[in-house]
Amino acid sequence: EVQLVESGGTLVQPGGSLSLSCAASGFNFDDYSMHWVRQVPGKGLEWVSGVSWNSATVAYAESVRGRFTISRNNGGNFLYLQMTSLRVEDTAFYFCAKDVGHLRFPDHWGQGTLVTVSP
Amino acid sequence: NFMLTQPHSVSDSPGKTVTISCTATSGSIVSHFIQWYQHRPGGTPIIVIFEDTKRASGVPDRFSASIDGSSNSAFLTISGLKTEDEADYYCQSYDRDSWVFGGGTKLTVL
Repeated sequence: EVQLVESGGTLVQPGGSLSLSCAASGFNFDDYSMHWVRQVPGKGLEWVSGVSWNSATVAYAESVRGRFTISRNNGGNFLYLQMTSLRVEDTAFYFCAKDVGHLRFPDHWGQGTLVTVSP
Repeated sequence: NFMLTQPHSVSDSPGKTVTISCTATSGSIVSHFIQWYQHRPGGTPIIVIFEDTKRASGVPDRFSASIDGSSNSAFLTISGLKTEDEADYYCQSYDRDSWVFGGGTKLTVL
């Protein structure tokens, strides 16, 4: 069974930094692209970033480019999101999502971790 | 940039049929595979339709989808509405290594 478990969400001040992790199990992690998607409470889903199976391709939404960095550890089955220069508008639930292949679409999601950016 | 636009909300009664639209801008809908996700409050999104019209495993045949090139839109149709269908529905596609989501449509089953 595919399992994705996010961690690291917390309260942080504007301008601060935070790192999220996603522990993956139940599938061959290094065969699939992985992504982060966020949802502001009460709003829609917003794709944040994606990374190919071998980290050769990374992509970011314009809203986070230059501030967030996605990475993965295929040996340990972890996906990461390093967030810097955080803004109030980055407040959201952050979901880790598994791709069906190479940067195509999600077939499994984690439960999410809440990041709150507030003074 | 390729974008997807959905109506904010739709509603109907149990047993009825409802259709949710997803209109593409800055690109052709027929050039992009469209997926549909069901997202209930407190849960994780569940894939309902993939690659335009294919039902995901375990999804009842009350759910169907179509593509219309003339309106540059994709459509999700749910027939025989049940109260358990009440959820947010999102269309999704991918463009130049990036995922794109529609804004989501809240389905209310009255």
